[in-house]
Amino acid sequence: SQQGEEDPQALSIQEGENATMNCSYKTSINNLQWYRQNSGRGLVHLILIRSNEREKHSGRLRVTLDTSKKSSSLLITASRAADTASYFCATDANTGNQFYFGTGTSLTVIP
Amino acid sequence: DGGITQSPKYLFRKEGQNVTLSCEQNLNHDAMYWYRQDPGQGLRLIYYSQIVNDFQKGDIAEGYSVSREKKESFPLTVTSAQQNPTAFYLCASSIWRKETQYFGPGTRLLVL
Repeated sequence: SQQGEEDPQALSIQEGENATMNCSYKTSINNLQWYRQNSGRGLVHLILIRSNEREKHSGRLRVTLDTSKKSSSLLITASRAADTASYFCATDANTGNQFYFGTGTSLTVIP
Repeated sequence: DGGITQSPKYLFRKEGQNVTLSCEQNLNHDAMYWYRQDPGQGLRLIYYSQIVNDFQKGDIAEGYSVSREKKESFPLTVTSAQQNPTAFYLCASSIWRKETQYFGPGTRLLVL
């Protein structure tokens, strides 16, 4: 399956620390996206990185993509309690019309 | 105020009953999607539509049906054939396939 796999499944850190989560996938992609989901809510798009890009920044977020290793990482710097949520990566395949979501990383930021 | 809405927030289904979940968007997006999310799991694609009057099955379409008569609307019917419908259902839209998806707030379906 193309499905991305996030690692770790759960992460607990103190406010102010950095949080890093990883996503691995299996087949070639056009782009990879990261989404955030607060408990019981819809997903919110964070960042999209294309296969020809290696790094992208958005505010406190930094995403890297290594297509040779078929992996991506999401770094959240100077975390806040409000960052507590689940984070999902979504990958597409070069063929087909859909995205594949991983099972997510549950991040808890302790005030 | 642009966005994507889903209703109802909670839905209860009796055994043997078909129920319909509503999804509406005013973002002028061509593509719309339905996902199912089980506790502690990722999203699995049920159906997607790239244009009006056209839709495609996703990975778990059995027991579900959709229609796309208008660009703004993509309702999902959970039929009595779906044996285990209890889940959180999310609708999304995007300008075009494989681009950023915008999600609705979700509908939680429970079986009585």
